[in-house]
Amino acid sequence: GDSVTQMEGPVTLSEEAFLTINCTYTATGYPSLFWYVQYPGEGLQLLLKATKADDKGSNKGFEATYRKETTSFHLEKGSVQVSDSAVYFCALSNRANNNDMRFGAGTRLTVKP
Amino acid sequence: GAVVSQHPSRVICKSGTSVKIECRSLDFQATTMFWYRQFPKQSLMLMATSNEGSKATYEQGVEKDKFLINHASLTLSTLTVTSAHPEDSSFYICSARSLASSNQPQHFGDGTRLSIL
Repeated sequence: GDSVTQMEGPVTLSEEAFLTINCTYTATGYPSLFWYVQYPGEGLQLLLKATKADDKGSNKGFEATYRKETTSFHLEKGSVQVSDSAVYFCALSNRANNNDMRFGAGTRLTVKP
Repeated sequence: GAVVSQHPSRVICKSGTSVKIECRSLDFQATTMFWYRQFPKQSLMLMATSNEGSKATYEQGVEKDKFLINHASLTLSTLTVTSAHPEDSSFYICSARSLASSNQPQHFGDGTRLSIL
């Protein structure tokens, strides 16, 4: 079945550092890909999405490009802030599977001043 | 954007109590709502998929008599944890998918932290 694998955390960075969180997926067909962010004690918020190959999702300085050839959707940000500290989840939704969503395990990011 | 309201945000109650959690889509209609459970520092575990007007579909290992789900309208689903015990303590999150865009992302509530004493 469909699955998502993302890099294990925790990840600790200094403010203004470059961030990459790797995400790869296994799916039949052409899934849509998402990154969600969860701040402490809160639910999940959609950060960005991409629905087809080579699409780039972007929001709040974060970017991710849908790479079908490498089945990847890595999250990047050029300069992280303390306020970016959260847990990030990579996810996919596949029309072939009734659009059920599959989540990665989550990566906890801590940004230190 | 699409908003999902989940209530209550936190519940603390005695063992044996039944607890009801509500999930509402505020500005869109949702034929499908999802209930997740999240243990500390772990990912979301899908418990069940709630379909408006029909019985919920439970994931393997989730007791349907323990976690009662009702999806009576296109904007409301409820999860009732019956006779809750300390091992049911967890963070429960609902999400909803818009009727109009079934291939779009799910929208999540802010979660309910349930603590059973």
